[in-house]
Amino acid sequence: NAGVTQTPKFQVLKTGQSMTLQCAQDMNHNSMYWYRQDPGMGLRLIYYSASEGTTDKGEVPNGYNVSRLNKREFSLRLESAAPSQTSVYFCASNPRRFGQRAGQASYEQYFGPGTRLTVT
Amino acid sequence: GESVGLHLPTLSVQEGDNSIINCAYSNSASDYFIWYKQESGKGPQFIIDIRSNMDKRQGQRVTVLLNKTVKHLSLQIAATQPGDSAVYFCAEPTSGGYNKLIFGAGTRLAVHP
Repeated sequence: NAGVTQTPKFQVLKTGQSMTLQCAQDMNHNSMYWYRQDPGMGLRLIYYSASEGTTDKGEVPNGYNVSRLNKREFSLRLESAAPSQTSVYFCASNPRRFGQRAGQASYEQYFGPGTRLTVT
Repeated sequence: GESVGLHLPTLSVQEGDNSIINCAYSNSASDYFIWYKQESGKGPQFIIDIRSNMDKRQGQRVTVLLNKTVKHLSLQIAATQPGDSAVYFCAEPTSGGYNKLIFGAGTRLAVHP
């Protein structure tokens, strides 16, 4: 079990370039998430997917798009990178289904190792 | 609105001492809390969780205390070791059934020999 994997680990982009961050989980989890983490700050939710085929905006979605390709994979795309998007990006997954009652599954999210992105 | 925050941004302790990391929350209806540990260059890792029907939960060298009266929880680490040096986050689920978590800003724990 690899858990949650992310590629690439590091990336440097020039302003205006585009790229896709890849995330995959092998735990058969229903929910997947993309966060960004800036120095001295907590994790901020960019987008999430409660189940295969659905995606929703989080706290800071502007400048990003996502695709839930299948149950395993959830990608994050930057169409036109900006220096403000320099950050560490984490993907996470959770086994719960939408609306599942408390006690039926954990709220724990399992995180990948992160992608360190610099936009110059 | 819902928010989770931390009192101290940095905590320095001597190896072998006990550490206490605090967290305040504002949503009195919150019924579940998680503590995560994030080592430098890694993703957050689950440490321990607690439901609101409990005041205390113990793990291996860690204890989480929940005080619902003042909406405060703490993570206690016994006999702190250099490997405990990390940033610690508390988190709670949002409402709405989407399984989202709100994370605090984090407290950095620095363990000195």
